[in-house]
Amino acid sequence: RKEVEQDPGPFNVPEGATVAFNCTYSNSASQSFFWYRQDCRKEPKLLMSVYSSGNEDGRFTAQLNRASQYISLLIRDSKLSDSATYLCVVRVISSGSARQLTFGSGTQLTVLP
Amino acid sequence: EPEVTQTPSHQVTQMGQEVILRCVPISNHLYFYWYRQILGQKVEFLVSFYNNEISEKSEIFDDQFSVERPDGSNFTLKIRSTKLEDSAMYFCASSDAGSGAQYFGPGTRLLVL
Repeated sequence: RKEVEQDPGPFNVPEGATVAFNCTYSNSASQSFFWYRQDCRKEPKLLMSVYSSGNEDGRFTAQLNRASQYISLLIRDSKLSDSATYLCVVRVISSGSARQLTFGSGTQLTVLP
Repeated sequence: EPEVTQTPSHQVTQMGQEVILRCVPISNHLYFYWYRQILGQKVEFLVSFYNNEISEKSEIFDDQFSVERPDGSNFTLKIRSTKLEDSAMYFCASSDAGSGAQYFGPGTRLLVL
């Protein structure tokens, strides 16, 4: 089973649509959770951290369900500039200094005019 | 806004040659990382570095790889004898002590011929 699993898409949505991405992780010791976005041939850019209580940043809302080992990202009122690959990322604490991030394969989003 | 920088942006080398990839992490960050992304695949962790020593490394980071912080600002990844399968985008990242979020540089695209 993959450590971090995402629907690869692609998701093609019209401008203004609401789109949701889901992600599951296999390691229950996962401690920190993030959504990154990656444009074609560019570096991953941090979109938002994901907290247990859920959090919102403008049009973006992230949710975490530790019991189900499930993370989601909701994008409202999508813009053309939201077109990118969205990466679900977790960090597992296996020792005091463990900080490596484990990436999902990403979900590709294209927002159409 | 402070950024991670990397040089060169592109590197073409012959199989068996040594390459050194350079990174300047964000200045007040304490943790440094290298990741790689083979074209069309997910981002994979290579190594993390803290307090002038390796704190974690993955199975990919074998004896052909080494990292160094030669001065107060640079962080390098050396591949001693490159193989064809080392062709990938190499990302440097850094993080501060607590948040867990890592900030990525623009990457070095390495092509081994």
